[in-house]
Amino acid sequence: AQSVTQPDIHITVSEGASLELRCNYSYGATPYLFWYVQSPGQGLQLLLKYFSGDTLVQGIKGFEAEFKRSQSSFNLRKPSVHWSDAAEYFCAVGLDRGSTLGRLYFGRGTQLTVWP
Amino acid sequence: NAGVMQNPRHLVRRRGQEARLRCSPMKGHSHVYWYRQLPEEGLKFMVYLQKENIIDESGMPKERFSAEFPKEGPSILRIQQVVRGDSAAYFCASSIKGAGGAFFGQGTRLTVV
Repeated sequence: AQSVTQPDIHITVSEGASLELRCNYSYGATPYLFWYVQSPGQGLQLLLKYFSGDTLVQGIKGFEAEFKRSQSSFNLRKPSVHWSDAAEYFCAVGLDRGSTLGRLYFGRGTQLTVWP
Repeated sequence: NAGVMQNPRHLVRRRGQEARLRCSPMKGHSHVYWYRQLPEEGLKFMVYLQKENIIDESGMPKERFSAEFPKEGPSILRIQQVVRGDSAAYFCASSIKGAGGAFFGQGTRLTVV
């Protein structure tokens, strides 16, 4: 069965520090990979996505993610965190090829707290 | 271009009542997905619809839940005879064929009292 694992439920970093959020997936082929961010009481905003090609993907708000096939991972990084980055982050896997890619399987999320 | 619109944002229902959640996809999007987010959990896929068709409802509970996406108007997720365990945030997403990543609405937070 397909699964998406975010091993860190909660991460706390100081403002200005670097950040890495981990995501591993279990699937027989290379899926489509996404990172979303959710602020309290809000919907999900797409940060970045990987379909194919360059394994280092740039997203919005200064985020990037690297796809590593050998490790089945798609970790999210940011070199310097801002207080406004505090939110919950979800890794997601899309498995529908040839369709709209809208159907996604989500990890449980990582809550990011940023200290001033 | 307005995003995915969901209403209401908050809905309170007593046990046994019906809940109707509405979703208007982004302009030009003909594919709609519903997800449920329980406390402390990620989003779980419920159903995938195109206009007038249910494509995949493998994530829908077998009873009390139904969804539609009529030719005209928003997509509706209907929960009959709600129970406390239905309390959750329900998100709608829409996309166009071939687009990368669905766009999500703000969600409807259902509370069953």
